[in-house]
Amino acid sequence: DIQMTQSPSTLSASVGDRVTITCRASQTISRWLAWYQQKPGKAPKLLIYEASTLESGVPSRFSGSGSGTEFILTISSLQAEDFATYYCQQYNNYSWTFGQGTKVEIK
Amino acid sequence: EVQLVESGGGLIQRGGSLRLSCAASGFAVSTKYMTWVRQAPGKGLEWLSFIYTGANTYYADSVKGRFTISRDNSENMVYLQMNSLRAEDTAVYYCARSVDLLSPFDYWGQGTLVTVSS
Repeated sequence: DIQMTQSPSTLSASVGDRVTITCRASQTISRWLAWYQQKPGKAPKLLIYEASTLESGVPSRFSGSGSGTEFILTISSLQAEDFATYYCQQYNNYSWTFGQGTKVEIK
Repeated sequence: EVQLVESGGGLIQRGGSLRLSCAASGFAVSTKYMTWVRQAPGKGLEWLSFIYTGANTYYADSVKGRFTISRDNSENMVYLQMNSLRAEDTAVYYCARSVDLLSPFDYWGQGTLVTVSS
């Protein structure tokens, strides 16, 4: 199975900060990577797919990059509603796997 | 509008069985790829099972042989039959869909909580 490793596990930031989260795959997944946002008690919400394509309705301050085994989620200017947990997910083969999550906390 | 609504969760004894349901609206489950994902309390997301065209299915090793995913196209429902439940199966279970095998999960239900008592 492909393992997905996110870093950091927790991130403390302030409103207006630029935030980056890294996701590494244990083997190449081309660009078959998605990012989700989850708030407490809610279902995950799709933000980005195919590594860099923004889902409809998602603010442009979110962006994704990378290919192969290393991927990055960037929030260009953190807003109050962005404090949440973020997960990467690979969907390259017949065993979809998620990263362990990155919690973005208020500094 | 696409909606997924899970039901069937609850408190069950270790070793017992439970069937979760996912009612879909706004699209036909027969035309999409449907999956179940769970989240243990305070933990991350774990993909469990996937069903696609022709009723082909895939399972995570953690549930293979114990869980069965199925679909009723006439009722527009997806199910997860869970047998031999263990304490570590305690989680919120989400139903989600993707448009094909190389697509993310674009719509999710609100989840249903399964608690396995020991």
